[in-house]
Amino acid sequence: DTAVSQTPKYLVTQMGNDKSIKCEQNLGHDTMYWYKQDSKKFLKIMFSYNNKELIINETVPNRFSPKSPDKAHLNLHINSLELGDSAVYFCASSQERGGGTDNEQFFGPGTRLTVL
Amino acid sequence: GDSVTQMEGPVTLSEEAFLTINCTYTATGYPSLFWYVQYPGEGLQLLLKATKADDKGSNKGFEATYRKETTSFHLEKGSVQVSDSAVYFCALSPLSGGSNYKLTFGKGTLLTVNP
Repeated sequence: DTAVSQTPKYLVTQMGNDKSIKCEQNLGHDTMYWYKQDSKKFLKIMFSYNNKELIINETVPNRFSPKSPDKAHLNLHINSLELGDSAVYFCASSQERGGGTDNEQFFGPGTRLTVL
Repeated sequence: GDSVTQMEGPVTLSEEAFLTINCTYTATGYPSLFWYVQYPGEGLQLLLKATKADDKGSNKGFEATYRKETTSFHLEKGSVQVSDSAVYFCALSPLSGGSNYKLTFGKGTLLTVNP
C-alpha cells in the first residue's frame, strides 16, 4: 500500500518546456505539501493545500502553479522550465495543517527533475 | 521567524560508534520537535518526535530529548550500523497553527557509517 505516490519518478526535459508532476495520497489526510530539495539536500517548502484550499505559498516564481482537484491529489505544473529548477520535488501529506502535536508529514518518494 | 540549526555534515563513523547530531531551534512558544530520516533515493520518513519539554522521543535505537532550557533536540544513538547511513533532518512545528501552517526543517546532516 503506497501512502503518498508521485509520478513520474524521473523527469528529464529541455529548458523552456512545460511539465507537470502528480501526487496522490491514500491516507485520508486533509493537508498536502510540495517541497523542493536542492543538490545540497536543503529542503524548502513551496506550497501547501488544506482541503483544496491554498494555505502556504512561499516565495516561488509564478511559473510554478499547484492544483488540487480534491484533497487526495496535489499536482505541480511548471511553465518555461529553467536550469535552476533542476531538483528533487517531494510531495507530502499530514492530517493537521502544520501546527498541533500530531503533525507527522508523510513524504512521497520524490521526483527528480533535470532541466537540460 | 522559526528556525532550526543542526550540525553541518558530513559525519562519518565506524560501525558500533556513538552518534550525536546536534539540533537547536528558535521558535515562539513551545513547538513540537521532530527528527526525519532520508535514506538514499527515498523520501523523508519520521524517525521520532517530542511534543513538550523533557519528552524523549525514541525509535530504532535513536533517542532525542526536548530541552526547553537549551532549546535543543539532539539526536543520539549508542551503536550505529551501516544501515543507518542516511541524511537526518531536525524539524519543528508550531504548537498552534495560526497563520504558520508548516514544518521548518534544518539543513540536514549526512551520516555515513563504514563497516
